Amino acid sequence: GNSVTQMEGPVTLSEEAFLTINCTYTATGYPSLFWYVQYPGEGLQLLLKATKADDKGSNKGFEATYRKETTSFHLEKGSVQVSDSAVYFCALRSPAGNMLTFGGGTRLMVKP
Amino acid sequence: DTGVSQDPRHKITKRGQNVTFRCDPISEHNRLYWYRQTLGQGPEFLTYFQNEAQLEKSRLLSDRFSAERPKGSFSTLEIQRTEQGDSAMYLCASSLAQAYGELFFGEGSRLTVL
Repeated sequence: GNSVTQMEGPVTLSEEAFLTINCTYTATGYPSLFWYVQYPGEGLQLLLKATKADDKGSNKGFEATYRKETTSFHLEKGSVQVSDSAVYFCALRSPAGNMLTFGGGTRLMVKP
Repeated sequence: DTGVSQDPRHKITKRGQNVTFRCDPISEHNRLYWYRQTLGQGPEFLTYFQNEAQLEKSRLLSDRFSAERPKGSFSTLEIQRTEQGDSAMYLCASSLAQAYGELFFGEGSRLTVL
């Protein structure tokens, strides 16, 4: 079946540090890949997506590249801010499916 | 606010009682999803509707769980004879049918079973 594995948190960084959150997946075929973010007290919201191999999704300074050869979709940001503190979820949708499969989430804490 | 709304936001109940959660999706969205999230875990798919039709159910959705979307607008999720293991956050999300994977989530309904 489909599965998503994320690095465990929490990840604690100082403001302006470089961020990487690792995500790998197992799926049949060519899934679409997503990063969702959940800020404190809010619902999950889509951060970025990629629908085919080598696509790069980007939004709000965050980027992730769909790597078919390593079945990965790592999230990166060059310079984090305190306002980026949140829980980040990697997810996939298989070509034949209509729902998302989520990873366990990674909490990011950014200190001033 | 035209986002996804859920009610109640928090429900505390005793084991064995029935509970019902309501979700109002974004009005033009024809797909509606229910997910369950336990502490420190990612959301797990329960079921989804396209308009009023329930098209898929997870094996996580035991016989004690039932979901409806009678007019293709709001949806309800009922849990009968609650158990302590049902304690979780129940998330509702909506989307357009063609926007695969681009879900809009509500803030969730937290269930605590004593």
